[in-house]
Amino acid sequence: GAVVSQHPSWVICKSGTSVKIECRSLDFQATTMFWYRQFPKQSLMLMATSNEGSKATYEQGVEKDKFLINHASLTLSTLTVTSAHPEDSSFYICSASEQLASWSGRDEQYFGPGTRLTVT
Amino acid sequence: DAKTTQPNSMESNEEEPVHLPCNHSTISGTDYIHWYRQLPSQGPEYVIHGLTSNVNNRMASLAIAEDRKSSTLILHRATLRDAAVYYCILRDPFGAGAGSYQLTFGKGTKLSVIP
Repeated sequence: GAVVSQHPSWVICKSGTSVKIECRSLDFQATTMFWYRQFPKQSLMLMATSNEGSKATYEQGVEKDKFLINHASLTLSTLTVTSAHPEDSSFYICSASEQLASWSGRDEQYFGPGTRLTVT
Repeated sequence: DAKTTQPNSMESNEEEPVHLPCNHSTISGTDYIHWYRQLPSQGPEYVIHGLTSNVNNRMASLAIAEDRKSSTLILHRATLRDAAVYYCILRDPFGAGAGSYQLTFGKGTKLSVIP
């Protein structure tokens, strides 16, 4: 099956610094990638939808100037947490859907393994 | 988005079948029923999806009620590796633009497997 990777798998940073998380689709092209955030014992919350070559669409309540998303190619999207604070500590997960020429009935969304961010 | 309701948690003995229920009484005609699961400290993984007919794959079976207002994910023989949070999600693939690929996660059912 299709594979999505994330890098790094975990990161610890100091308050006020910025952290970049990469999401790659390894064996397929993804026009659209999604970024989720998950706090302990809670469900995944969609942060933004990343479209290749265009600006990301952010969910209500997510600061676009704080969470910078770049989707420069069909296989790479990045999330940069700027001026990170302890409340940004969370599990960040990306996902991607395979770009298909036509509707084939396949309907899977592939998730990365997640990046655990700890801000001290 | 149409909403789903799942029990918060369930337990199963190892090697026994598990039936995970999901209610979706407001499902629309074009909503597909998806199941994903999330193992501890990992990203979710696709399990199965269906529209009207029951579906089988190597991981599980999906039984869909005739009125489509509920469905059941069936793990035929639970193993310790099946311990995870299982999410039942409705998605309309014919929705407008990128929104059609969005998945809205509820709280899911935490499945514990007892050795």
